Amino acid sequence: DSGVTQTPKHLITATGQRVTLRCSPRSGDLSVYWYQQSLDQGLQFLIQYYNGEERAKGNILERFSAQQFPDLHSELNLSSLELGDSALYFCASSSSGASGNLDEQFFGPGTRLTVL
Amino acid sequence: GQNIDQPTEMTATEGAIVQINCTYQTSGFNGLFWYQQHAGEAPTFLSYNVLDGLEEKGRFSSFLSRSKGYSYLLLKELQMKDSASYLCAVPGAAGNKLTFGGGTRVLVKP
Repeated sequence: DSGVTQTPKHLITATGQRVTLRCSPRSGDLSVYWYQQSLDQGLQFLIQYYNGEERAKGNILERFSAQQFPDLHSELNLSSLELGDSALYFCASSSSGASGNLDEQFFGPGTRLTVL
Repeated sequence: GQNIDQPTEMTATEGAIVQINCTYQTSGFNGLFWYQQHAGEAPTFLSYNVLDGLEEKGRFSSFLSRSKGYSYLLLKELQMKDSASYLCAVPGAAGNKLTFGGGTRVLVKP
């Protein structure tokens, strides 16, 4: 158990819908990262938040957005869902996140999203 | 940009040794991570190398050569539970975002 929690574990929805994935980082961790893992794309970085502010952005679609709240939990919002959005979505956390200061990322169990 | 290559799949016998290679190209090197991921589960941290050389951690060791843009993960005394994907990853120049390789699926046979 990494200490990172994600809900829900599974999500099945239809094309065109909107969903919200939730992540709670390890106690004391300030950084939250979101990754998408699909069969053909591997593990892809989406976005990072550090202490409530966006810190880095990957190949995140405009239909996707995220935020980190004052209690440091984070939500990833996916809208206008397409079949290709079906994937495992992982959240990870680390204690820091500032440039030049690296530490291990701890991954949550993931949310499996299925778009029908 | 960053580019990471690792073999797609490897098969080995229980009790044997397997070496998983990873080559990378990155602007501004900040170290290299290895993660283990069992199917459908979260990646778990194995090692982080920032200096050249071999770092040993029990049955797992990781090697780095910065001049060659090369790393390997060595799994010794293979056990059935070691059947998993092994992901090589490098952090970005700013922040901690990780760029992952496609992963190497290791199948351990009895």
